[in-house]
Amino acid sequence: AQKITQTQPGMFVQEKEAVTLDCTYDTSDQSYGLFWYKQPSSGEMIFLIYQGSYDEQNATEGRYSLNFQKARKSANLVISASQLGDSAMYFCAMRDPRGGYQKVTFGIGTKLQVIP
Amino acid sequence: NAGVTQTPKFQVLKTGQSMTLQCAQDMNHEYMSWYRQDPGMGLRLIHYSVGAGITDQGEVPNGYNVSRSTTEDFPLRLLSAAPSQTSVYFCASSVQGNSNQPQHFGDGTRLSIL
Repeated sequence: AQKITQTQPGMFVQEKEAVTLDCTYDTSDQSYGLFWYKQPSSGEMIFLIYQGSYDEQNATEGRYSLNFQKARKSANLVISASQLGDSAMYFCAMRDPRGGYQKVTFGIGTKLQVIP
Repeated sequence: NAGVTQTPKFQVLKTGQSMTLQCAQDMNHEYMSWYRQDPGMGLRLIHYSVGAGITDQGEVPNGYNVSRSTTEDFPLRLLSAAPSQTSVYFCASSVQGNSNQPQHFGDGTRLSIL
């Protein structure tokens, strides 16, 4: 069964430092997509970054990058130069072929707090 | 550009009452989904739709009903509310495609069942 595991319930990082949020996944499908979403305290879900299972290069979006290790089935989010506004919950998610890629599995999230 | 609009934002119900959570999107997205978010459990898929007239069950469908008569709207119905359905509900939409489409989320509906 498809599964996303985020083992860090909470993380602290000093402002301007880099931080890595862990995500491992389990699937028997060859084609899938991995996503990271940010949920600030205001509650909305914000899409950050995407990595496809066939992508050979790690995805990057501004200060966000995804450390994709396919053999280890991990898709860690790296945030560089942390800012106070990065304090939020972060969710890893996977979209796979079930239901025409409509079934998305989410992890339980990691709460990141950026310290001034 | 409204995106995905959910109403109401907050609702308190009594056990046994029924209600409909509304979701509308103006991006002409074929795919729409309903999730519930509970502390320590992430987002869990309730029902989803790949187009008008087509719906299917997700991970936690019991106690909920959906229909999709138009591309824009995807309401979620609680048939007989139970305290276990106290949660934050998110509606999401995305373009039809394969694995690479991110979902666009509404702002959520916070529902309390007394």
